[in-house]
Amino acid sequence: DTGVSQNPRHKITKRGQNVTFRCDPISEHNRLYWYRQTLGQGPEFLTYFQNEAQLEKSRLLSDRFSAERPKGSFSTLEIQRTEQGDSAMYLCASSFGGNGYTFGSGTRLTVV
Amino acid sequence: KNEVEQSPQNLTAQEGEFITINCSYSVGISALHWLQQHPGGGIVSLFMLSSGKKKHGRLIATINIQEKHSSLHITASHPRDSAVYICAVPYSGGGADGLTFGKGTHLIIQP
Repeated sequence: DTGVSQNPRHKITKRGQNVTFRCDPISEHNRLYWYRQTLGQGPEFLTYFQNEAQLEKSRLLSDRFSAERPKGSFSTLEIQRTEQGDSAMYLCASSFGGNGYTFGSGTRLTVV
Repeated sequence: KNEVEQSPQNLTAQEGEFITINCSYSVGISALHWLQQHPGGGIVSLFMLSSGKKKHGRLIATINIQEKHSSLHITASHPRDSAVYICAVPYSGGGADGLTFGKGTHLIIQP
């Protein structure tokens, strides 16, 4: 197992375009979390899954953000109609039952 | 919602110095996390602790549950310790529903 993998590492997109990021967690981990981190700030919680069930999505930043984990393995985070304020690092983490977290290297999004 | 405060926000020290970073939180928790983030974004989990003290190499983490306070210490600091150190606690105190993070302490160790 090579840890939590996120793709792409970097994404540059034009304002108004849709983007999708992928996270592959550690295979034994049943929980998967998405966070957003802006410059100089700590990560901010977006949503999380237990297996394929999305247990918390009220903290997603707006209805332009959506996440899926269809088979309880990898997850995708989609941002529709991107805005410049969406530029940030998007981090994924996984855990088994919330006991200890392993983070991915993140996807850095730049909206121009 | 748990609130997390870290201090200092920035710290520059000379190689060999003893480093202390502090973290306070507002809601009782099941465990607290100390994380390290290097330029480029990757976050590494250093400690998860719910009581007392943990030690790993030159790093020591302590927590006082009653006072809702934790400290991260680095002994014999080295330039490779330069990174952002982040304290994180469960969003709602006890559950596994994600973490709330402090803003981080940007540590620079000069040779």
